[in-house]
Amino acid sequence: AQSVTQLDSQVPVFEEAPVELRCNYSSSVSVYLFWYVQYPNQGLQLLLKYLSGSTLVKGINGFEAEFNKSQTSFHLRKPSVHISDTAEYFCAVSSYTGGFKTIFGAGTRLFVKA
Amino acid sequence: GAGVSQSPSNKVTEKGKDVELRCDPISGHTALYWYRQSLGQGLEFLIYFQGNSAPDKSGLPSDRFSAERTGGSVSTLTIQRTQQEDSAVYLCASSLVRSGGGTDTQYFGPGTRLTVL
Repeated sequence: AQSVTQLDSQVPVFEEAPVELRCNYSSSVSVYLFWYVQYPNQGLQLLLKYLSGSTLVKGINGFEAEFNKSQTSFHLRKPSVHISDTAEYFCAVSSYTGGFKTIFGAGTRLFVKA
Repeated sequence: GAGVSQSPSNKVTEKGKDVELRCDPISGHTALYWYRQSLGQGLEFLIYFQGNSAPDKSGLPSDRFSAERTGGSVSTLTIQRTQQEDSAVYLCASSLVRSGGGTDTQYFGPGTRLTVL
């Protein structure tokens, strides 16, 4: 069975500081990995995804994530955050052979302070 | 092209009543998902469809919940005898499926906010 763990429920950070949102997963088969973002009062949208190839994935708004198979992690990073990055971030996993079910983590609320 | 649409956007109902929530996926997306998001919580998987079939119903919280999809397009999530704990935002998403298995990006609708009084 697949599972996703987002280790931090809330991450407060000052504007222009770097941030890392952690995500670990478990799966017995190869996986696709996703980060979705939900801005206040808006719907969920894709931030970035790892399907295959380079383990460093770049997404929208300056975010990137690195797939680490040995550590079963897919941490999200941004070198300098803005107030507008305040949102809920969800890590998700889907497997090649697990049908089409996608499991989401509980979410990490990023709060950027001036 | 149009995105995923859901109706109604808001639904207030009395405890014990039945409700139907509708999802119109992006045309051509064979996979369709229903999730529930309670206040301050993550996304709880409910059910997904591949075409018209639902191979995984494990996420439905009780037998009061059911869903169907017709014509490989529109889906309806029905909650019978609603309870106050059913209050949440119900999200629908659709996606293409990859030829080798697994889903690609999910496109989410705006959700239906259900309030059970």
